[in-house]
Amino acid sequence: KNEVEQSPQNLTAQEGEFITINCSYSVGISALHWLQQHPGGGIVSLFMLSSGKKKHGRLIATINIQEKHSSLHITASHPRDSAVYICAASKEGNKLVFGAGTILRVKS
Amino acid sequence: DSGVTQTPKHLITATGQRVTLRCSPRSGDLSVYWYQQSLDQGLQFLIQYYNGEERAKGNILERFSAQQFPDLHSELNLSSLELGDSALYFCASSVRDKETQYFGPGTRLLVL
Repeated sequence: KNEVEQSPQNLTAQEGEFITINCSYSVGISALHWLQQHPGGGIVSLFMLSSGKKKHGRLIATINIQEKHSSLHITASHPRDSAVYICAASKEGNKLVFGAGTILRVKS
Repeated sequence: DSGVTQTPKHLITATGQRVTLRCSPRSGDLSVYWYQQSLDQGLQFLIQYYNGEERAKGNILERFSAQQFPDLHSELNLSSLELGDSALYFCASSVRDKETQYFGPGTRLLVL
C-alpha cells in the first residue's frame, strides 16, 4: 500500500461543477501539499497546510489530521482547471512523498 | 513563471554516459530540492540542499550525486546512465526549510 493514496485516479466534469479530490496518508506528516501539473509538465504549488482549511480563489483545501485525510475542492470548475492534481505529504520534515495524481478533465 | 530556472530543457544521451542538470533557485531561496518523475514510478524525492549543505536524502541512486554551490545554484549529476533513468527531473526551491516549494520547468532526459 502506498503511503499517500489519492482518489479518484481520473475525473471528468462539466464546466461549472463542484469537484472534490481526496488524499489519504498513512505516515506522520508535518504538512500536506497540493500541486497542479499542467499538460506541458510544469508543476505549481497550490497549497501547503498542516491544519484546518485554506482558500485561494475557487480552490479550497482542507485537512483532518486525526483521520489522516485531505481534500481539494474546486468550485465552479472551468476547462482551464484541466490538469493533474497531486497531493504530497511532508515526511520527516523535508521529504515529500507523492500520491499518484488525479487526472482532471473539465468539459465545456 | 516560478522564478526557478533549470537547464537544459531537453537532453538526449546514450547509455553509460554522464550528464549534469542545473538549477537556479528563486532569489533569496536557501533550500533546493531535486525530484524525478517517471512514467512507472511517478514523482519521487531525490535530495535536498539547504544553504550549501545536504539536508535530506530520498530515493537517490548511488550513480547520482548533487551539490549546492555558494551562489545557491545546484547541480544534479547522473552517471553510468541507464534506459530507466529517462524521466523528467524537477528542481524546486523554498525560502527556508519546510516551506512552500516553487518548482522549475523541469529537464526532460531521454537515454537511448
